Amino acid sequence: AQSVSQHNHHVILSEAASLELGCNYSYGGTVNLFWYVQYPGQHLQLLLKYFSGDPLVKGIKGFEAEFIKSKFSFNLRKPSVQWSDTAEYFCAVMPWGGSYIPTFGRGTSLIVHP
Amino acid sequence: NAGVTQTPKFQVLKTGQSMTLQCAQDMNHNSMYWYRQDPGMGLRLIYYSASEGTTDKGEVPNGYNVSRLNKREFSLRLESAAPSQTSVYFCASSGRGASNQPQHFGDGTRLSIL
Repeated sequence: AQSVSQHNHHVILSEAASLELGCNYSYGGTVNLFWYVQYPGQHLQLLLKYFSGDPLVKGIKGFEAEFIKSKFSFNLRKPSVQWSDTAEYFCAVMPWGGSYIPTFGRGTSLIVHP
Repeated sequence: NAGVTQTPKFQVLKTGQSMTLQCAQDMNHNSMYWYRQDPGMGLRLIYYSASEGTTDKGEVPNGYNVSRLNKREFSLRLESAAPSQTSVYFCASSGRGASNQPQHFGDGTRLSIL
């Protein structure tokens, strides 16, 4: 079974700081990778996804993530955060084929101070 | 453009009471899921339904039952509520038979059991 590890549980930044959230997974086969965001009091929304091709994927609101296969990592980045990025961020992995059940990391809480 | 609709949004129960959480999606998705979200635990899968007519247990199924009423609707039932089931419950759906399909989430049901 696959697992997902998000190393940073809580991150506090000031506006305009750069952001990088770590995500590592364990699975021997081919995977699809997702980052979701959950704003306070809201449901999860898709930020970006990687299926194949260019390992650098761009998502909404200026976020991007890089898939490094050799490191089993899919880190989320943003060059300059805003107060409105305050949210919880979840990394998820879904193996190709199989049961279509994603495995989620435990999430990273990001607080951005104005 | 409703997406995934959950009812109710909030509920308070007494220990031992029963209730059903409703979920409906209008995106013609095959797969539907029920998660619970607890602080520091991320999302944990309770039950899922890969397609109409099938349901399977997830990571934390004890104390819950589900019904895939039709392709649109997937309900979660607590037969005898316990304080440990106090949580936020999210329903999600995803597209037809492909592991690269992201999940679409409802707004959640905040359930408190006294």
